[in-house]
Amino acid sequence: EEQLVESGGGLIQPGGSQRLSCAASGFTVSGKHMSWVRQAPGKGLEWVSAIYSDGSTDYADSVKGRFTISRDTSKNILFLQMNSLRAEDTAVYYCARIQYLRNDAFDIWGQGTLVTVSS
Amino acid sequence: EIVLTQSPGTLSLSPGERATLSCGASQSVSNNYLAWYQQKPGQAPRRLIFGASIRAPGIPDRFSGGGSGTDFTLTISRLEPEDFAVYYCQQYGSSPTTFGQGTRLEIK
Repeated sequence: EEQLVESGGGLIQPGGSQRLSCAASGFTVSGKHMSWVRQAPGKGLEWVSAIYSDGSTDYADSVKGRFTISRDTSKNILFLQMNSLRAEDTAVYYCARIQYLRNDAFDIWGQGTLVTVSS
Repeated sequence: EIVLTQSPGTLSLSPGERATLSCGASQSVSNNYLAWYQQKPGQAPRRLIFGASIRAPGIPDRFSGGGSGTDFTLTISRLEPEDFAVYYCQQYGSSPTTFGQGTRLEIK
């Protein structure tokens, strides 16, 4: 079964850092395009970042320069390194598989991990 | 970036009724690259429709998508109790990909 499981969320102080992980099973993250999508409490969905099968990356303007997406092909894990965190970064962070093309729908989602930025 | 506006914000209907949800785009969506997702409380979104009208595997045929250009719809022909949830549209024809603000479908 193809599955994604996130971890690494928690309570972080403003200005702090956190690394999220997303373990994939049933497929290889290096062979697919992958993304992070977030959802602030009670709000809608916001695309955050993507890493493509060729290793290139892309970021939303709201996180550019602060967040870094990467992957460990040996462990089949996707990461999101988040630095200089702000209160407005508080959200459930989902990793999601992009179904076919670089710009495409998301066909598999993890269960999400909650990041709370607060003092 | 393309802004998606979903209407209505909340739709109150009874099981067995037909639901029509709308998604309007600020610019034409290239190749009709529009998807619909269902999200229940505490759960991740689930892909229902992509390419504006292609039903994802395992999705019941009471769900159908339509439209083109800047106006898209998701129709649920006969509501089942498990269909009451929040629905989001997403355009992926232009970067960055963007989502609508959601339509809450609630039991009347």
